[in-house]
Amino acid sequence: AQTVTQSQPEMSVQEAETVTLSCTYDTSESDYYLFWYKQPPSRQMILVIRQEAYKQQNATENRFSVNFQKAAKSFSLKISDSQLGDAAMYFCAYCQYYNTDKLIFGTGTRLQVFP
Amino acid sequence: SAVISQKPSRDICQRGTSLTIQCQVDSQVTMMFWYRQQPGQSLTLIATANQGSEATYESGFVIDKFPISRPNLTFSTLTVSNMSPEDSSIYLCSARAPNTGELFFGEGSRLTVL
Repeated sequence: AQTVTQSQPEMSVQEAETVTLSCTYDTSESDYYLFWYKQPPSRQMILVIRQEAYKQQNATENRFSVNFQKAAKSFSLKISDSQLGDAAMYFCAYCQYYNTDKLIFGTGTRLQVFP
Repeated sequence: SAVISQKPSRDICQRGTSLTIQCQVDSQVTMMFWYRQQPGQSLTLIATANQGSEATYESGFVIDKFPISRPNLTFSTLTVSNMSPEDSSIYLCSARAPNTGELFFGEGSRLTVL
């Protein structure tokens, strides 16, 4: 069975600094998708970034980038120039390439941003 | 993108009662899903709401406890039946955008069962 592990329950960062959130996963599949979702206090989950496993290039969305290490089954999220609005729960998620309906989520990392 | 509205946003319920959560999407979507997020935990998929047919439930979830309706392409309901304190959770509706395949979420419905 596939699993997603986020080993950092909480992280904090100073405004304008950079922070990296860790995620590891376990799967026997070779093709799959990985995601980072943000859940602010309003509770609405927002997709931050998506990575296709067959792509070697790391995905980037503005200040958000990932370090995808397929062999190590690692998928970390780097937030550059952190802003107060980045404070939220961040969930790492996985789905199979041929079953994109079922996302498997990690337990989340709560990110605090200090001014 | 798709905007998903859920009602109620929160409720306090008595043990043994049932509550129905509504989910409305502002555009037609093929796939809708219901997730549960227990306190301090991650999201777990309850079921896929299929339009015009019975929902597809994940392991550990059954129709008698979580009946789901999907009468059309923009609306679904989840009922939490015969509630107990263990059902206290946030229940989230999600939908897959037809063009991009991206999964969108509602703001969730926080249920507290006394």
